Amino acid sequence: SAVISQKPSRDICQRGTSLTIQCQVDSQVTMMFWYRQQPGQSLTLIATANQGSEATYESGFVIDKFPISRPNLTFSTLTVSNMSPEDSSIYLCSVRDRSYNEQFFGPGTRLTVL
Amino acid sequence: GQQLNQSPQSMFIQEGEDVSMNCTSSSIFNTWLWYKQDPGEGPVLLIALYKAGELTSNGRLTAQFGITRKDSFLNISASIPSDVGIYFCAGQRVGATNKLIFGTGTLLAVQP
Repeated sequence: SAVISQKPSRDICQRGTSLTIQCQVDSQVTMMFWYRQQPGQSLTLIATANQGSEATYESGFVIDKFPISRPNLTFSTLTVSNMSPEDSSIYLCSVRDRSYNEQFFGPGTRLTVL
Repeated sequence: GQQLNQSPQSMFIQEGEDVSMNCTSSSIFNTWLWYKQDPGEGPVLLIALYKAGELTSNGRLTAQFGITRKDSFLNISASIPSDVGIYFCAGQRVGATNKLIFGTGTLLAVQP
């Protein structure tokens, strides 16, 4: 398995600002993903973070709103841009590697937008 | 995005009771995963299933990969208060490599 940390663990932000969330893994992993979990809801995949190239976004999510970086095999960032109260959610980093089929999640970043 | 049908939506049981929940899809899956999420935490992987008909246990938890490849089941025996949380199934469709689809979740409450 992999140990995943996220920063910040939570934040309260003002409308119109941006927040960058960091995800750090304790080992190199093939795949990193970003999910959103709105209050009381299940998890929705935002995008797959690709090392050295642009992220692959799911339907309903765009790069301008959720820019993602993945400079190496252990680190990724997700930015939530020009935030509105509707962006209040838990944002989760997740990883999977070729050496194992399971997918693991970080502790999440709880974002509240006022 | 697409989600799997998970039932029941919530369960309120007495300590010591057994629990069953399931997940169904209209598509064929090649992987089923079951997670538990505690308040304020990320989902924790409980059991992973890779073959139709596979039955796998993890302590008091047992999960099965349905033979039609369109469903999965999770059973918890002799529930205890720390079993409280939200349980999610997640599946990977055939042909959709590396992309997990999540169920709607089952909220489990256990009364001591």
